[in-house]
Amino acid sequence: DSGVTQTPKHLITATGQRVTLRCSPRSGDLSVYWYQQSLDQGLQFLIQYYNGEERAKGNILERFSAQQFPDLHSELNLSSLELGDSALYFCASSVDPVLGYGYTFGSGTRLTVV
Amino acid sequence: DAKTTQPTSMDCAEGRAANLPCNHSTISGNEYVYWYRQIHSQGPQYIIHGLKNNETNEMASLIITEDRKSSTLILPHATLRDTAVYYCIVRVGGYSGAGSYQLTFGKGTKLSVIP
Repeated sequence: DSGVTQTPKHLITATGQRVTLRCSPRSGDLSVYWYQQSLDQGLQFLIQYYNGEERAKGNILERFSAQQFPDLHSELNLSSLELGDSALYFCASSVDPVLGYGYTFGSGTRLTVV
Repeated sequence: DAKTTQPTSMDCAEGRAANLPCNHSTISGNEYVYWYRQIHSQGPQYIIHGLKNNETNEMASLIITEDRKSSTLILPHATLRDTAVYYCIVRVGGYSGAGSYQLTFGKGTKLSVIP
C-alpha cells in the first residue's frame, strides 16, 4: 500500500457518459497529480493541484476537469467519454512539488469505455 | 526540462547486475536525474535521484558522469521482481522557487530479468 488511494479500481462505462475518479493523497502530502496511460503509451501528465489550487496543466482535454478539496482529496471528472479515453488513470501525491523524489503513485483506475 | 534517451529494452540474468543507461546531453546545472520504475500496470515507484555525485540506496546505485551528460542506474543483484519499465527523468529539483515541477515520463527502458 503506497498510501495513495484511488477509487474505483475498475470502471466500465459507455460512450457519452461521465465518470468521476477519486484520489486520496498520502497523509501530509499537499500536491496531487493526475496522469493518463493508454495502452502502449507512456504516462501523460494531465493536471496538478497544490493545496487546493491548480498549479499546472498538461495534455488534458477540455472534456476533462479536476479539483482538489479542502481535505486534499482530488477528483478527476471525465465527460462525453469516447472509446479513446479508455486508459489507466494514475494519481500521485507529494509533500512538495519542487522535489522530484517522493512522488507516490496510487495503483490506478482502469477505465474502459465501450 | 532536458530530454533523455534510453534503450527501448534490455535483458539481464537473474542475480547479475543490471546496468541501465540514460543520456541527457542537454542537462542544465540545476537539473537533477531521477529514476522511477513501473512494474506491469502498477503505479510508478521512485528509485533514486542525484545531481552530480554518485548515489546509493537500498534499491539501487546511480552513477552520473563527470560532465553530467549521461548516467547509469545499477541494480546490483537483479531479481525477477525487478522486471519493469525504468524511467530516467531529468528535471529541476530543489528549492528554486514556485512552479509546477511535474514529472515528465518518456518511454523508458523495459528491463526483463531472465531466470
